[in-house]
Amino acid sequence: EDQVTQSPEALRLQEGESSSLNCSYTVSGLRGLFWYRQDPGKGPEFLFTLYSAGEEKEKERLKATLTKKESFLHITAPKPEDSATYLCALRDAGGTSYGKLTFGQGTILTVHP
Amino acid sequence: EPEVTQTPSHQVTQMGQEVILRCVPISNHLYFYWYRQILGQKVEFLVSFYNNEISEKSEIFDDQFSVERPDGSNFTLKIRSTKLEDSAMYFCASSPPGSETQYFGPGTRLLVL
Repeated sequence: EDQVTQSPEALRLQEGESSSLNCSYTVSGLRGLFWYRQDPGKGPEFLFTLYSAGEEKEKERLKATLTKKESFLHITAPKPEDSATYLCALRDAGGTSYGKLTFGQGTILTVHP
Repeated sequence: EPEVTQTPSHQVTQMGQEVILRCVPISNHLYFYWYRQILGQKVEFLVSFYNNEISEKSEIFDDQFSVERPDGSNFTLKIRSTKLEDSAMYFCASSPPGSETQYFGPGTRLLVL
């Protein structure tokens, strides 16, 4: 069974204090690893898709990386507006095409000014 | 930028009543999904839909649930006889052709009393 575990559960940073969020996964074959941002009471907002180990994607202060067992979301010089829950999800290479994402429980990031 | 939209944003119903949650996926997308998120828990997959058929469904998606694409723009989730434990945020998502990335709507908060 696919498993996605995110750590830490919560992270408090000072503005400008860089850090990383971890997503560890277990899957028979990876079709894709996804990062989303979720604000309270809202739907997940797509950030990145990673397909193979060694791949990296960047967007503003965020950078996502992927290995065969985990993914990291690096946040450089965060601002208060980066405060949100960050979700990791995966697509298993088995099963049907365009099927389910399996989500982790998320990391709640709070950035203090 | 095109977005997935969902109506209503909030729905309160009595246990045993039927509810229909509506979604308008992004216009050129062909793959559609429903997820739910019980307060404080992970986002959980319910069902995926393509070419007017269910592609994949989870154990949660039992006989009380059904999905339909009644016209060229709407995608609905029906819960026939709601239970207290159906109270959750329900998210619709869609994917474009050739992409595994799923784009989520803002959600419908369902409260069953």
